[in-house]
Amino acid sequence: DTGVSQDPRHKITKRGQNVTFRCDPISEHNRLYWYRQTLGQGPEFLTYFQNEAQLEKSRLLSDRFSAERPKGSFSTLEIQRTEQGDSAMYLCASSQTQMYYGYTFGSGTRLTVV
Amino acid sequence: AQTVTQSQPEMSVQEAETVTLSCTYDTSENNYYLFWYKQPPSRQMILVIRQEAYKQQNATENRFSVNFQKAAKSFSLKISDSQLGDTAMYFCAFMKGAGNMLTFGGGTRLMVKP
Repeated sequence: DTGVSQDPRHKITKRGQNVTFRCDPISEHNRLYWYRQTLGQGPEFLTYFQNEAQLEKSRLLSDRFSAERPKGSFSTLEIQRTEQGDSAMYLCASSQTQMYYGYTFGSGTRLTVV
Repeated sequence: AQTVTQSQPEMSVQEAETVTLSCTYDTSENNYYLFWYKQPPSRQMILVIRQEAYKQQNATENRFSVNFQKAAKSFSLKISDSQLGDTAMYFCAFMKGAGNMLTFGGGTRLMVKP
């Protein structure tokens, strides 16, 4: 297991298009998190899963955003009808149940909406 | 809600010298965890050091140590014998004891100069 993997690394899309990102967590981690990071800022929480259940969503996650984690393994984050304000780095992280040991982050997917 | 503030947007230090990055936080919780994460340019975020609020002893990891002042709600990071590889963005983060979400500060960009 080489850590948390995210695909793609970079995505350029036209405004109004839909995009989907994938995250593969560390296999023994049952918790998975999505964060958004804009340039020069700290990451902001979007949502988190414990196994396949989505247990918490931020107000940042508008109706255009949806996340899934089927079977409690990989996760996808979809953004519909993208807007220029969606341009950011989307970070995925995973952790064991004892999450206070900290997360393991992936390298992120950088989205540019033109 | 918790807030995390890093008052130093950028800092620089000469190689082999010591530098301290500041972090303050605001919370009404008594049980929580604090973290410092490092994000090198174009690379993934990695955990540097963590501190449990109920522990009075400051955490240490090799060249990295913290000064945790619970009453003052301060959590600074000291990097000793700075190395060129320490050049990165550093983020302070907070997690409630019974929570799962990390709240990040805005980050400090550290440049280690040869």
